[in-house]
Amino acid sequence: DTGVSQDPRHKITKRGQNVTFRCDPISEHNRLYWYRQTLGQGPEFLTYFQNEAQLEKSRLLSDRFSAERPKGSFSTLEIQRTEQGDSAMYLCASSSGTGMIRYGYTFGSGTRLTVV
Amino acid sequence: AQTVTQSQPEMSVQEAETVTLSCTYDTSESDYYLFWYKQPPSRQMILVIRQEAYKQQNATENRFSVNFQKAAKSFSLKISDSQLGDAAMYFCAPVKAAGNKLTFGGGTRVLVKP
Repeated sequence: DTGVSQDPRHKITKRGQNVTFRCDPISEHNRLYWYRQTLGQGPEFLTYFQNEAQLEKSRLLSDRFSAERPKGSFSTLEIQRTEQGDSAMYLCASSSGTGMIRYGYTFGSGTRLTVV
Repeated sequence: AQTVTQSQPEMSVQEAETVTLSCTYDTSESDYYLFWYKQPPSRQMILVIRQEAYKQQNATENRFSVNFQKAAKSFSLKISDSQLGDAAMYFCAPVKAAGNKLTFGGGTRVLVKP
């Protein structure tokens, strides 16, 4: 297992376009999290899944954002009609249910989105 | 909701010296855990150290140690014998024991001077 993988690493898109990011968690981990991090700031929680169920969504996640984890494995985060304010690093992390308290999250390297 | 404050945007330390990063948090929970994460430039975040709130003993992990003051809701990180590879952003993050969501502070950038 190579850890948490995110694709793409970088994405440049024009304002108004739709973008989709993918996250492949550690295979044994049933929890998957999405965070957004702007330059010089700490990560902000967006949403999290336990298996295929999306259990919590932040108010930061506007109607233009949608996340899925259809089979409880990989997850996608889609942003529709992108705005310049969406420019950020999008981080994915995973954990096991019992291991989260002991080991915290395992993070991916992130997808950096630039909206021009 | 938890709030986390890291009051030092940037700290500079000489190689081999010690630096302490501060973190305060606000929570209504009685049982929780606290984490420090490191984010090197252009690299992924990794866990540095964790502390159980019910334990009075401060956690230590090699050159990294914490000073946990539960009543004051303070959780500082001490890096001893600083190395060039310690240069990174450091984030404090509490989580309630029955919870699942880490709440991160704004981070402290650590610069290590050779």
